[in-house]
Amino acid sequence: GESVGLHLPTLSVQEGDNSIINCAYSNSASDYFIWYKQESGKGPQFIIDIRSNMDKRQGQRVTVLLNKTVKHLSLQIAATQPGDSAVYFCAENLNRETDKLIFGTGTRLQVFP
Amino acid sequence: EADIYQTPRYLVIGTGKKITLECSQTMGHDKMYWYQQDPGMELHLIHYSYGVNSTEKGDLSSESTVSRIRTEHFPLTLESARPSHTSQYLCASSDRGFDTGELFFGEGSRLTVL
Repeated sequence: GESVGLHLPTLSVQEGDNSIINCAYSNSASDYFIWYKQESGKGPQFIIDIRSNMDKRQGQRVTVLLNKTVKHLSLQIAATQPGDSAVYFCAENLNRETDKLIFGTGTRLQVFP
Repeated sequence: EADIYQTPRYLVIGTGKKITLECSQTMGHDKMYWYQQDPGMELHLIHYSYGVNSTEKGDLSSESTVSRIRTEHFPLTLESARPSHTSQYLCASSDRGFDTGELFFGEGSRLTVL
C-alpha cells in the first residue's frame, strides 16, 4: 500500500550546523505534506507544511523542500540548536476533508555541543 | 500551547482489566483522533471523529472503542487489556474547514499491560 518513509533513522549534527532530514513518499495523489517534531515524552508538534503546488516553503530557521518528480520531501534546519533534538516525522494528508494523516517512520535528530 | 489534555499520562495494569484513556480539548474542535505509537515508530490512526455522535475506525485495526458524546471529550476504552495493547496512545484534534493539516496533539498516555 501507499506509505511514507524516512531514509535515515538517526541524524547527529554539531550545534550551529545545518540539518537536513529526508522523507520519501509513494502516494502520487497526496497534495499536502507536514513536518512534525516530537520531543521525548510529548506529543508531536506542527513545524511547517507545504502544498504540492509549491516546491519550497520557509519558516523560522526551517525550510521544507518538495520534489514531486522523485517523491521526496526534506526538512532543513538552519543553525541547529540543542533544543532541536527530537524525533521528526513527515506526514502526508491524503484527504483534506478528514485530515487523516499518514505518518512516516521518524528520524531522531541529535545535536552535539 | 495546545489546549488538549490526556489522562492518565502513564498506566500500568494487569491483563484482563478494563481501561479508559481520557482526552479533552477546550478549543471547540470538531475533529478528534486517536493515534497509537510504539517507541521510536510512526503514528498509526486507530479512531477518528468528525463531531458529536460520529466515530470511525482508523487505518490500523484496534480492539479499542471510542465515543463522542460531547464535542470536547473523546475517550478510548479497552474492555479487556492484553500485553499486546502496550503502547503509547496519542489524542489529537483539529478545526473543521481549515486549509492546513495542523493537528494539535496531547502529550500521550503510555499504557503498559502486564
